[in-house]
Amino acid sequence: DIQMTQSPSSLSASVGDRVTITCRASQRIYNYLNWYQQKPGKAPKLLIYGVSNLHSGVPSRFSGSGSETDFTLTIGSLQPDDSATYFCQQSYSFPTFGQGSRVEI
Amino acid sequence: QVQLVESGGGLVKPGGSVRLSCAASGITLSDYYVSWIRQAPGKGLEWLSYISSSGKTIKYADSVKGRFTISRDNAQNSVYLQMNSLRDEDTAVYFCARDRPVTHDGRYFDYWGQGTLVTVS
Repeated sequence: DIQMTQSPSSLSASVGDRVTITCRASQRIYNYLNWYQQKPGKAPKLLIYGVSNLHSGVPSRFSGSGSETDFTLTIGSLQPDDSATYFCQQSYSFPTFGQGSRVEI
Repeated sequence: QVQLVESGGGLVKPGGSVRLSCAASGITLSDYYVSWIRQAPGKGLEWLSYISSSGKTIKYADSVKGRFTISRDNAQNSVYLQMNSLRDEDTAVYFCARDRPVTHDGRYFDYWGQGTLVTVS
């Protein structure tokens, strides 16, 4: 299995801050990397697929970058509604997820 | 609006069985692959199984292979997960999700149900 490691595990930031979450794969996954947002008691929601493609309806303050093994999710200007846990997921082979990064406002 | 709704969860004894259902509205589920994914309390996400639109292609994670069976009834616009020989560690919220294949086995999930809790105790 491909292991996905996220950092940080949690962070606290203020409204308007630029926030970055990183995800590292245990082997090359090229551009097969996706990001999800999950709020407590809710299902995950797809934010970004294929490293940098925004899913329908996702605000443009979310962006993704990276390649091979190292990837980044950036929230350009943090909003109160962005308080959530974010997961990366590789889609190069059988899906595996990172452990999550909790963002507190 | 795409909506997936899981049902069938509950309390089950170790060694017992339960069948989860995933019903869709707003889409014709038979056009899509569907996966089941679970999340143990306070833990991360674990992909379990996928089924192709026709039902002919099925894959499982090693952790559930031989115990769980995925199936679908396209006439009912539904997908199922039969879970047998349940263990304490199977306690989790189980989600179904619309599955978008991008490689032979790689996929991402663009719409998820709200989940159904299975407690094995």
